[in-house]
Amino acid sequence: SQTIHQWPATLVQPVGSPLSLECTVEGTSNPNLYWYRQAAGRGLQLLFYSVGIGQISSEVPQNLSASRPQDRQFILSSKKLLLSDSGFYLCAWSGGTSGYYEQYFGPGTRLTVT
Amino acid sequence: AQKVTQAQTEISVVEKEDVTLDCVYETRDTTYYLFWYKQPPSGELVFLIRRNSFDEQNEISGRYSWNFQKSTSSFNFTITASQVVDSAVYFCALKGKVEDYKLSFGAGTTVTVRA
Repeated sequence: SQTIHQWPATLVQPVGSPLSLECTVEGTSNPNLYWYRQAAGRGLQLLFYSVGIGQISSEVPQNLSASRPQDRQFILSSKKLLLSDSGFYLCAWSGGTSGYYEQYFGPGTRLTVT
Repeated sequence: AQKVTQAQTEISVVEKEDVTLDCVYETRDTTYYLFWYKQPPSGELVFLIRRNSFDEQNEISGRYSWNFQKSTSSFNFTITASQVVDSAVYFCALKGKVEDYKLSFGAGTTVTVRA
């Protein structure tokens, strides 16, 4: 069966510090990978998606970036965090035997920028 | 452009009551896919169901049922005999043709089931 991991689970970072969130998927190959952000009490905002190694599409211009160094690894980064970067970050994947329809989400990382 | 509207922001019910969550969508695609997700307080989004646009058959899974009506562009979700564990935020989502990689999510409906 497929599983998706995200770490860390929670993170408190000062403004201006760097960020690195990691997501890995097990049990499938060639997944599409996604990064979402959910601000407190708000809906889901797609940040990046990737259909293959090194292929990143950005949905929202901002100070965040994403990379996919391996087939099942997706990293969200920032060089300098802003207060507005606080939120709940969710990684998701699609593909495998169910096709590239529904997305399956990880447990999320709760980021607080102080 | 694709759009999903969940007009109900919050719904509060007493345990054992039925609750129906509305979802209305807009798309120009002739083939599309609709989804429901549950987000419990822990935060992880849990996939509940996918419905293809060419399959209007309604579906029941335990206490959950879904009513897809293409004529009104709606994909409503009913929880029968609600339980406290059903308390969560529920999201409706839409995806266009297969090579469209993105899901368009509604704003979500917060369901609170009181004991």
